[in-house]
Amino acid sequence: DSGVTQTPKHLITATGQRVTLRCSPRSGDLSVYWYQQSLDQGLQFLIQYYNGEERAKGNILERFSAQQFPDLHSELNLSSLELGDSALYFCASSRGLAGAQETQYFGPGTRLLVL
Amino acid sequence: AQSVTQLDSQVPVFEEAPVELRCNYSSSVSVYLFWYVQYPNQGLQLLLKYLSGSTLVKGINGFEAEFNKSQTSFHLRKPSVHISDTAEYFCAVSTPGTYKYIFGTGTRLKVLA
Repeated sequence: DSGVTQTPKHLITATGQRVTLRCSPRSGDLSVYWYQQSLDQGLQFLIQYYNGEERAKGNILERFSAQQFPDLHSELNLSSLELGDSALYFCASSRGLAGAQETQYFGPGTRLLVL
Repeated sequence: AQSVTQLDSQVPVFEEAPVELRCNYSSSVSVYLFWYVQYPNQGLQLLLKYLSGSTLVKGINGFEAEFNKSQTSFHLRKPSVHISDTAEYFCAVSTPGTYKYIFGTGTRLKVLA
């Protein structure tokens, strides 16, 4: 158990809908990262937040947005969903103090199926 | 721009045999290198990382990796694998001063009895 929690575990929805994925980082971690894992694209970095502020952006679509709240939990919002958005979405956290050398601790993921 | 290439998508190996999972990276600046493991239906877990110093890095579960700057490689090795090592292994690279991590496409290690 990494200490990172993600809800829900599974999500089934229809095209055009909007969903919110939630992540609680490990106690004491200030950085949260979001990743998308799909069969065709592999593991793609989406976005990183540090202590409430966006710090780095990867291959995140404009239909997707994220935020980190004062209690440090984070939410990833996916809107106007398409079939191709079906994937496993991981959240990871790290202390956030040492930059790119830090170990990231991954949650168990949310499996999204868009029908 | 950085990139990571994992040359083998699948590696079958018999139990107690040695294994090497290959990873090559491309970067014009210095890098940090990581190996993560993903067991079925779980998130990723760090095996080991290279930040600086000794090029031979030892990790958990008997794994080790060697950083080779001239070959731009960071291959993962284990002298004797167990059935429980069956998992997907990801190589990743990041750069000092940035916060982005680039992951390879993964190598599925299948340990056979």
